[in-house]
Amino acid sequence: AQSVAQPEDQVNVAEGNPLTVKCTYSVSGNPYLFWYVQYPNRGLQFLLKYITGDNLVKGSYGFEAEFNKSQTSFHLKKPSALVSDSALYFCAAYTGRRALTFGSGTRLQVQP
Amino acid sequence: SQTIHQWPATLVQPVGSPLSLECTVEGTSNPNLYWYRQAAGRGLQLLFYSVGIGQISSEVPQNLSASRPQDRQFILSSKKLLLSDSGFYLCAWSVTGGETQYFGPGTRLLVL
Repeated sequence: AQSVAQPEDQVNVAEGNPLTVKCTYSVSGNPYLFWYVQYPNRGLQFLLKYITGDNLVKGSYGFEAEFNKSQTSFHLKKPSALVSDSALYFCAAYTGRRALTFGSGTRLQVQP
Repeated sequence: SQTIHQWPATLVQPVGSPLSLECTVEGTSNPNLYWYRQAAGRGLQLLFYSVGIGQISSEVPQNLSASRPQDRQFILSSKKLLLSDSGFYLCAWSVTGGETQYFGPGTRLLVL
């Protein structure tokens, strides 16, 4: 069965510091991987995706993600966190059944 | 550009009452459409998806149903709501054959 794991319920980081939100996957075949962000009482916003090619994917708002096939990981990163980055982040994998399998979400708290 | 609308934004309904949530997409034709439920502000559960008018696939058996009466309209319904139906309902779309899903603003449903 396909699955996506986000091992951290919450990540705390100080403003200006680098941030990492972790994601690992278990998907058969070549994975399509995504990161979405959700602000309170809002829908999910697409940040970035990995389909093929360069393992470092750049997305919206200065975020990037690194695909690591040997570790089956797709961690979200940002060199310098902003307070406005505080939100709920979801990793997802496309299963080829016209559906996305989501991780459980990681709440990012950036402290001023 | 494409936009996705959901209404109502918030709904409070008594147990046993009917439900109708609506989702419409603008700026695209023949999209794939999806209904998700997010419980307790965390994980997303795919409820239904549709690849065309009148074509609905159900992922989880429950007292909810979905319909697609028009190309860009997706409706989530129930004849009798349960307490456990409370949650945040998200509609999403993707292009035909596409893997990236774009989400609407969501409807918060509280069943009392």
